[in-house]
Amino acid sequence: KAGVTQTPRYLIKTRGQQVTLSCSPISGHRSVSWYQQTPGQGLQFLFEYFSETQRNKGNFPGRFSGRQFSNSRSEMNVSTLELGDSALYLCASSWGQGKTQYFGPGTRLLVL
Amino acid sequence: EDKVVQSPLSLVVHEGDTVTLNCSYEVTNFRSLLWYKQEKKAPTFLFMLTSSGIEKKSGRLSSILDKKELFSILNITATQTGDSAVYLCAGKETSGSRLTFGEGTQLTVNP
Repeated sequence: KAGVTQTPRYLIKTRGQQVTLSCSPISGHRSVSWYQQTPGQGLQFLFEYFSETQRNKGNFPGRFSGRQFSNSRSEMNVSTLELGDSALYLCASSWGQGKTQYFGPGTRLLVL
Repeated sequence: EDKVVQSPLSLVVHEGDTVTLNCSYEVTNFRSLLWYKQEKKAPTFLFMLTSSGIEKKSGRLSSILDKKELFSILNITATQTGDSAVYLCAGKETSGSRLTFGEGTQLTVNP
């Protein structure tokens, strides 16, 4: 069974731009969560989607948003990028809410 | 606010040594404690612990949870250089999938 896939793997943007990251969960998994990983803050929860609905949200500004499609694929969007948004963005999927999460390889975003 | 603290933050050992990694947690409506291993890529799942006092084992790795004292340990016996990685523990609350991660323990195993 294929694992969680994320695209793109690497991205360079400039301040003020916006970016969209994509995550395809493991087949059959319906819950997708997003995390931001930085050297200073570690892994921090962004949001969780289940059945196309946002179920939970972390303490991030409104510039961070996401959505989930009927095939469980998810996207997250960051608008008006700031230097501090440079991070590894990880997506994790599970077959249901509260079940073991399996992580994708991440998208490394660099904001210049 | 939920909090997970890991210690030590960094550990250097020689192949063959046994290591114990610590994780304490304060998670509202706690449900389970998870351990992940992260090399230069995605965290890979190791264990999920829900019940207190029951050891989970996978090869040379084992872990146990103490829900009274709010901590967990991860043991690695007969360490190998391939065990070098960051080990992350995370607390999960009852509802939803949100994980609160600790800072991680950077383990380096030298030959």
